[in-house]
Amino acid sequence: KAGVTQTPRYLIKTRGQQVTLSCSPISGHRSVSWYQQTPGQGLQFLFEYFSETQRNKGNFPGRFSGRQFSNSRSEMNVSTLELGDSALYLCASSLDIAGGREQFFGPGTRLTVL
Amino acid sequence: AQSVTQLDSQVPVFEEAPVELRCNYSSSVSVYLFWYVQYPNQGLQLLLKYLSGSTLVKGINGFEAEFNKSQTSFHLRKPSVHISDTAEYFCAVSVVIQGAQKLVFGQGTRLTINP
Repeated sequence: KAGVTQTPRYLIKTRGQQVTLSCSPISGHRSVSWYQQTPGQGLQFLFEYFSETQRNKGNFPGRFSGRQFSNSRSEMNVSTLELGDSALYLCASSLDIAGGREQFFGPGTRLTVL
Repeated sequence: AQSVTQLDSQVPVFEEAPVELRCNYSSSVSVYLFWYVQYPNQGLQLLLKYLSGSTLVKGINGFEAEFNKSQTSFHLRKPSVHISDTAEYFCAVSVVIQGAQKLVFGQGTRLTINP
């Protein structure tokens, strides 16, 4: 079974631009979560989607948004990029949203904002 | 609010030596606890998890962890490490909000194995 895939793997953008990242979950998984990883703040939860609905949201500004499609693929969008948005963005999928479930992580998209 | 503290940011050990990576959590409710490993330029891989039951949890690659409720700890151990265990290790606690889970991670411990 193929794992979680994220595209693109690397992105370079300039301040003020916007960016869209894509995540394809493991086949059959209906939940997709997004995390931001930076050296200073570590791993922080962005949001989770399940059955095309946002179920949970972290403490990030409204510039960060996402959506999920009927095939469970998910995208996240960051508008008006800032230097501090440079990070590794990780996507994780799971079968459902039950507590204690295992989340399977993709390799991440490394975003650099210049 | 739930939080996770990994007490060591870096742990250097010699190959074939035992290792313990420490993790403490704070939570006012029942918890689910996880250890993930991240190899360079890769995503996170689950090593093991504690949901309930036996406090000693065995995971992949010879790792195990012990849940200690009184000390609110979930330390990760391996009796003999290999060069291939060089990676960053993250402890996480599950927070359930309105039926949806999110993971709260510690800051990570970089494990370096020296030959």
